[in-house]
Order: sequence, then structure tokens, then C-alpha cells
Amino acid sequence: DAGVTQSPTHLIKTRGQQVTLRCSPKSGHDTVSWYQQALGQGPQFIFQYYEEEERQRGNFPDRFSGHQFPNYSSELNVNALLLGDSALYLCASSRPDSQLIDTQYFGPGTRLTVL
Amino acid sequence: AQSVTQLGSHVSVSEGALVLLRCNYSSSVPPYLFWYVQYPNQGLQLLLKYTTGATLVKGINGFEAEFKKSETSFHLTKPSAHMSDAAEYFCAVTERGSYIPTFGRGTSLIVHP
Repeated sequence: DAGVTQSPTHLIKTRGQQVTLRCSPKSGHDTVSWYQQALGQGPQFIFQYYEEEERQRGNFPDRFSGHQFPNYSSELNVNALLLGDSALYLCASSRPDSQLIDTQYFGPGTRLTVL
Repeated sequence: AQSVTQLGSHVSVSEGALVLLRCNYSSSVPPYLFWYVQYPNQGLQLLLKYTTGATLVKGINGFEAEFKKSETSFHLTKPSAHMSDAAEYFCAVTERGSYIPTFGRGTSLIVHP
């Protein structure tokens, strides 16, 4: 049983570019959450997707957007990249009846570097 | 707004020694509390949680934490450290009625032979 998978593992972009990160949830899960973890910091909640819609959102600008597909996989898009967007981006999946973070399974993350 | 403070960005112990990682939170009402561990190049793994009931919570790998409302704390302990415990540990809180978590900045646990 595959857990949460994310791609790519590492990514290097330049300021102003756009990036798309991908996440496949754990089998049986249909809710996907995204987190940003800057170096030396704890993860920060970006948003959560359920039934192909954004259900909750943290304190992130509109440059951060997402999408969920019918197979429950998800994408995180970041436009107009800034140096400060450099971070580890974590995806977590869960079942819809449990929204607390204790029921979320995390992927290994995508390391984004913005030059 | 809720916040989480983890005292000490690094904690160093000898193998076999007591592990104590500190976490204090600020919240208008007692929140849900969690401890996570993160090994290099891996995602977060839940160690234990407090939602309601008994204030001493036991988790995986021999870790436990005690919720102390009067001190707004949720410190993580383990009686005897193993080399395999070396990792980054995060405390997190979620206010009741909200499902958006707030994480602390993390504490790196270093275990010496």
C-alpha cells in the first residue's frame, strides 16, 4: 500500500517563475492538505482540498493556488515566485471524516529552491 | 490567535538519558495538542496527541506527554534516549472548532553515544 507520494523531490526555479507541485494521497484517502516548511521552521498550513474544492485556507497570498482531481490527487501552484518561497512543501492526506491533523499522513515533501 | 513555543532549538542528551522537549501554547481555550517527529528527508509522523480525557498521554517509541492546563504546557518526555531518537520534533496545536494546525519551530534532538 503506497503512502503519500510527492513529485518532484527537488526543484530549482528563479524569481518570477511559476511552479507546480504534485501529490498523490494514500489509498482510501480523499482529502489533501498542503503545508510550507521553511528552513528552521515548523510547517505552515496552506490549504486543504476535498471533493475538488478548497475547504480551508491558511494565511497565504493568492499566488498560492491548488487543484484536486477526480482521482483525489492534488497540485499546488505558486505564481510569481519570491526568494521567500524557498521551502519544503509537504502534502498530507486524510479521510474526510477526520479533519484533525492527527489523522493526516504526510509525504516526504518537495524541496523548492528559488534563486 | 493560537501560538506554540518550543524552548530550545537544539537539545543534546546522552544515550540512556532522560529526554525532555518543552512546548508551551497560548490559546483562549484548551486546544488539541500534538507531537510530531520528522526524520531527515521524510514527512512528519505523529508521536502522540491530546484531545480530551487523561492528561498523561502515551505515544509511540516510548514517548509520553502531559497536558498541564495551568501551565499551558505539553512537554514531551522519554525515560531513556536511543540513538534512533535523533530527529526533529514538532509540537502543534489546533483550536477546538478549527482544523487548522499551528506548529512550533521545532526542536532538534541530538543523542550522543
